[in-house]
Amino acid sequence: GQQVMQIPQYQHVQEGEDFTTYCNSSTTLSNIQWYKQRPGGHPVFLIQLVKSGEVKKQKRLTFQFGEAKKNSSLHITATQTTDVGTYFCAAWGSSGGSNYKLTFGKGTLLTVNP
Amino acid sequence: DSGVTQTPKHLITATGQRVTLRCSPRSGDLSVYWYQQSLDQGLQFLIQYYNGEERAKGNILERFSAQQFPDLHSELNLSSLELGDSALYFCASSVGPGGSGEQYFGPGTRLTVT
Repeated sequence: GQQVMQIPQYQHVQEGEDFTTYCNSSTTLSNIQWYKQRPGGHPVFLIQLVKSGEVKKQKRLTFQFGEAKKNSSLHITATQTTDVGTYFCAAWGSSGGSNYKLTFGKGTLLTVNP
Repeated sequence: DSGVTQTPKHLITATGQRVTLRCSPRSGDLSVYWYQQSLDQGLQFLIQYYNGEERAKGNILERFSAQQFPDLHSELNLSSLELGDSALYFCASSVGPGGSGEQYFGPGTRLTVT
């Protein structure tokens, strides 16, 4: 079945440093989503990318979808302690016929030292 | 608050027992998804229901079953529980049948099997 590989598994940064997490697939993706899960919380949708080469920004967060639609990245500029959490990429893939399921990467746990 | 509710928040039970987890989707959402989150396996898709019908199946064990009722709430039944079933179980909902679009996650039910 479809798999999305996410690296790194963990990242510890000093407040103010940048952070990037990467997501890769061996197959072409129709779209890719990013979620954030705060410690003790539930995943919260951040964004969906659909087009090849698409770049979207949300304040200090920049999301990219690769030209071949097989990889994606999330970059955070000048991290803050509020950025702490696990960031997941997720991709919709076929579950058989016209049915689909959302496959999540293992996530990157970001910790920020104030 | 995502608008998705899950009960109970915590559940502690013994091996061999059976439990039922309940989920109410956001108002207007027709799809309900169930996920299992454990430290080693990450966020694993179990099953999806759309407007009362099973839509997609993931890595759901035969000991587990689910259903969606006419009022669109869903229940996940876990039977013959094993220690390895201890995990956080999330329910998510979406408007459409899947393939695109965001999912809204509930706060989760933490299941501990002793």
